[in-house]
Amino acid sequence: NAGVTQTPKFRVLKTGQSMTLLCAQDMNHEYMYWYRQDPGMGLRLIHYSVGEGTTAKGEVPDGYNVSRLKKQNFLLGLESAAPSQTSVYFCASTQGDFDTGELFFGEGSRLTVL
Amino acid sequence: GQNIDQPTEMTATEGAIVQINCTYQTSGFNGLFWYQQHAGEAPTFLSYNVLDGLEEKGRFSSFLSRSKGYSYLLLKELQMKDSASYLCAVRDSNYQLIWGAGTKLIIKP
Repeated sequence: NAGVTQTPKFRVLKTGQSMTLLCAQDMNHEYMYWYRQDPGMGLRLIHYSVGEGTTAKGEVPDGYNVSRLKKQNFLLGLESAAPSQTSVYFCASTQGDFDTGELFFGEGSRLTVL
Repeated sequence: GQNIDQPTEMTATEGAIVQINCTYQTSGFNGLFWYQQHAGEAPTFLSYNVLDGLEEKGRFSSFLSRSKGYSYLLLKELQMKDSASYLCAVRDSNYQLIWGAGTKLIIKP
């Protein structure tokens, strides 16, 4: 059981380049999330999805776009990368059970923008 | 604004007990979570509290006081593998998670 898988795990971009991070989950979860994690700060929500075909903005959505065309996949796009987007990106999913709502995280994607 | 406060770093000795505190000010409350994150890895779920009191799970326990906006994670019989960051997160009235910056726990032999 793979759980939540992110690709790529590492990437170096030049300012202005674009790229897409792919998140795939095999747990049939409804809810999926993209976070970024920066030193000294808590995880910050970029975008999230409550089901196939839906997306919503989180706390820090500027400069990012997302799509959830299939239930198991959640894509995060950087339209024109900036050095401020250098970060570790985590995808997470949950069934949406509000009794616990335990999040399952991918291994992270480390992005450097030069 | 919404805020989660945790100590930045703590040091403890192998075999000992350590308590990691978390205080929060959020718009509403729908549960508090603790996650463990080893360096370079993903966070993994440790515990969930929604009612006041202590939840025990093996060597780890988590306490919640909603009236005080306070929680702690208690780790007993510390092992070297417990060296990690511990993240506190609160689910607010919109069912969004607000995350603390994490507490880096260093275990010394």
